[in-house]
Amino acid sequence: NAGVTQTPKFQVLKTGQSMTLQCAQDMNHNSMYWYRQDPGMGLRLIYYSASEGTTDKGEVPNGYNVSRLNKREFSLRLESAAPSQTSVYFCASSDPRGGGGSDTQYFGPGTRLTVL
Amino acid sequence: AQSVTQPDIHITVSEGASLELRCNYSYGATPYLFWYVQSPGQGLQLLLKYFSGDTLVQGIKGFEAEFKRSQSSFNLRKPSVHWSDAAEYFCAVGRMDSSYKLIFGSGTRLLVRP
Repeated sequence: NAGVTQTPKFQVLKTGQSMTLQCAQDMNHNSMYWYRQDPGMGLRLIYYSASEGTTDKGEVPNGYNVSRLNKREFSLRLESAAPSQTSVYFCASSDPRGGGGSDTQYFGPGTRLTVL
Repeated sequence: AQSVTQPDIHITVSEGASLELRCNYSYGATPYLFWYVQSPGQGLQLLLKYFSGDTLVQGIKGFEAEFKRSQSSFNLRKPSVHWSDAAEYFCAVGRMDSSYKLIFGSGTRLLVRP
């Protein structure tokens, strides 16, 4: 049982390049999330998917797109990377049995992205 | 709007000493509250959570937290800190509306003196 996995672990891009961060979970969770972590700012929600086939914007969606490929996989795409997108990106999943915000989110190990 | 405040950016304690990390939240309804820990280079691991009932909740690794509605606080405590507790700690509040979201505080980095 791997939990939440993310690839790649590290990435360096040049301004304007594109890339896709991959996330997969094997816990049969309905909900998946993408966060970015910046020093002194905690984690901020980029996009989330409450269930397969749905996606919604979070707090900081500009410059990103997402795809919920199936129940297991949720990818994050940077179409034209900018230095402001240098960050650590975390994927998470949850199973909201209790509804609303009561569910526990399980996190992947993160992707460290640098945009030059 | 909902928010979470962790007023201490860094805290240093000696090994074996007690620890309290502060967390204050702003939320209109009864909150769902969480503490996560992040070891260097790792993802976040859930320490404990509060949904309802007993306001003192026990978590993993000997941590506990107390929900105080009157103070809008959910402080994390440990009676005796171990060197392996050095990490960053995040408090979060879960939204109970139509979306499944966590709002995180900015984190407190714990340093442990030998």
